[in-house]
Amino acid sequence: DAGITQSPRHKVTETGTPVTLRCHQTENHRYMYWYRQDPGHGLRLIHYSYGVKDTDKGEVSDGYSVSRSKTEDFLLTLESATSSQTSVYFCAISGLGLYNEQFFGPGTRLTVL
Amino acid sequence: DQQVKQNSPSLSVQEGRISILNCDYTNSMFDYFLWYKKYPAEGPTFLISISSIKDKNEDGRFTVFLNKSAKHLSLHIVPSQPGDSAVYFCAASGGYSGGGADGLTFGKGTHLIIQP
Repeated sequence: DAGITQSPRHKVTETGTPVTLRCHQTENHRYMYWYRQDPGHGLRLIHYSYGVKDTDKGEVSDGYSVSRSKTEDFLLTLESATSSQTSVYFCAISGLGLYNEQFFGPGTRLTVL
Repeated sequence: DQQVKQNSPSLSVQEGRISILNCDYTNSMFDYFLWYKKYPAEGPTFLISISSIKDKNEDGRFTVFLNKSAKHLSLHIVPSQPGDSAVYFCAASGGYSGGGADGLTFGKGTHLIIQP
């Protein structure tokens, strides 16, 4: 299994509070991604990074920001959490293998009350 | 507008038989198509993929077929085993920047149930 960890694994927070989710990899892969999974939507891309300090927006980036100061860490921040951001968040990494396959972390379940 | 569609939310197959999962797409810019398997409370696991210039790729019990003119791909699992029971996601790359580094576009998933 690819060395990807996510923290925390579960979090309950209140509307309006800031939340930061962390993704850590030990594979030294250049590309990292944040997705959210919601019932009826599959996985949707929030933001991705193609190198340290290089990031870009995905399909559902509103309300989220990211930072990547080191190759191994990719942080997802909800500046002011809303109930619509209750979801399961997955981090993924890619070394641009033969088929651009991405490898996913175990996920963080976030509940915003 | 959904660019990757999995129209069957669930599929039930008897153990030992063939499972066929289907996926349709609309974006001609997709360059790779991938299948992921997901168990509850775990992250998706990469299963198999295919380049848009190929029409078939096989890996053990898993074969993916691509019909580019119909914008359709399918995953065949033969023979189906109890451990194959999971949610299967079809995904495609190249839909954002057109390059290989961008994110994947996922379908909504098909829940495969293997019955004994």
